[in-house]
Amino acid sequence: EAQVTQNPRYLITVTGKKLTVTCSQNMNHEYMSWYRQDPGLGLRQIYYSMNVEVTDKGDVPEGYKVSRKEKRNFPLILESPSPNQTSLYFCASRTRGEDSNQPQHFGDGTRLSIL
Amino acid sequence: AQKITQTQPGMFVQEKEAVTLDCTYDTSDPSYGLFWYKQPSSGEMIFLIYQGSYDQQNATEGRYSLNFQKARKSANLVISASQLGDSAMYFCAMRRGGYQKVTFGTGTKLQVIP
Repeated sequence: EAQVTQNPRYLITVTGKKLTVTCSQNMNHEYMSWYRQDPGLGLRQIYYSMNVEVTDKGDVPEGYKVSRKEKRNFPLILESPSPNQTSLYFCASRTRGEDSNQPQHFGDGTRLSIL
Repeated sequence: AQKITQTQPGMFVQEKEAVTLDCTYDTSDPSYGLFWYKQPSSGEMIFLIYQGSYDQQNATEGRYSLNFQKARKSANLVISASQLGDSAMYFCAMRRGGYQKVTFGTGTKLQVIP
């Protein structure tokens, strides 16, 4: 089954304790992205990657790191989490496709609470 | 910078009626794509429909159609014959052609009334 898998689905942790949210896709997609969703703000792009070892900042990259060492994986790293990073996080992937017409496939989301 | 505006935070519609969810966008790029996603209460993001900036016809997918008015920079989603299962959050999104940056609107919460 084609899917984007995020882990964990839920996490409650404390300020300053490094954490990683994993994302893996089995569709051989070139493009991957991370978003955060906050009430009233919709989804905002954190980082994206166009291929292995190629990443770039989205609209809200502060406080986050990513890496793309393998095509299928795109982990999101919070080196020193703070309460304002409490949010619902989505990983998404898409194939390169023709122009811009390929929709993204989303993972089921990770709900992070930073105390 | 590109921007997506969804001015309706919440809407109600009677079951079996049609409903239009508004989306306006702002970009200076001639090439872009517009997407609508549905997010039910369970939280997953479901792709509904796509419209390209160069597409001559409005996109349709089953009960979903996109009323694309390029000159007005609007891309409204029309849901025909609403069903109870259509109750969800709906997001409009835009991606510039050839780029990976995507901008989402703030969403519209649709509630279908029996």
